Amino acid sequence: DQQVKQNSPSLSVQEGRISILNCDYTNSMFDYFLWYKKYPAEGPTFLISISSIKDKNEDGRFTVFLNKSAKHLSLHIVPSQPGDSAVYFCAAANFGNEKLTFGTGTRLTIIP
Amino acid sequence: NAGVTQTPKFQVLKTGQSMTLQCAQDMNHNSMYWYRQDPGMGLRLIYYSASEGTTDKGEVPNGYNVSRLNKREFSLRLESAAPSQTSVYFCASSEVGSPTEAFFGQGTRLTVV
Repeated sequence: DQQVKQNSPSLSVQEGRISILNCDYTNSMFDYFLWYKKYPAEGPTFLISISSIKDKNEDGRFTVFLNKSAKHLSLHIVPSQPGDSAVYFCAAANFGNEKLTFGTGTRLTIIP
Repeated sequence: NAGVTQTPKFQVLKTGQSMTLQCAQDMNHNSMYWYRQDPGMGLRLIYYSASEGTTDKGEVPNGYNVSRLNKREFSLRLESAAPSQTSVYFCASSEVGSPTEAFFGQGTRLTVV
């Protein structure tokens, strides 16, 4: 039972345009969400997070949106750059429990 | 800035062989984790340790054992490797008490033939 789902295995976006990566979750106990970025042959690195008391969090070119009623979050990257080409994982947890549950990942390719 | 260090980076095992994957972190984190990454499956938690001396099963613990040797080190052992354990293994650590971001090692690519 996949509690965190990323339904798009891959996404291609022109350089300079907006990249939107989506993530859905089924466990209503989740109240903290994170995005990780992974390059080939490297470990995932933390990108941005959001708690359930917010519906938006920004960090430079990266913005995460949370829609609790729809159990949906998205990561927006504006403008997209070639260095953003990577696999992006969505992850979820609940406060008081350090374990992260990951989605299956979306491979983002930025086309120059 | 070592962060989380995993050894080895690559390993090929024959079915039935045993091996231990080593992990050490220098960030003074209490919590440590072992994940495996398989195509189309994302990252799945094998075992985690909330503090020195404690370990608990994750989503896919069968065929694995772990040891939290001290605060820095958390090892993963395959007693009798099987082809289904062919995967990329990641160790991670985080601060205790909240689901803050976990820091990952570079991974161990394990092939069981």
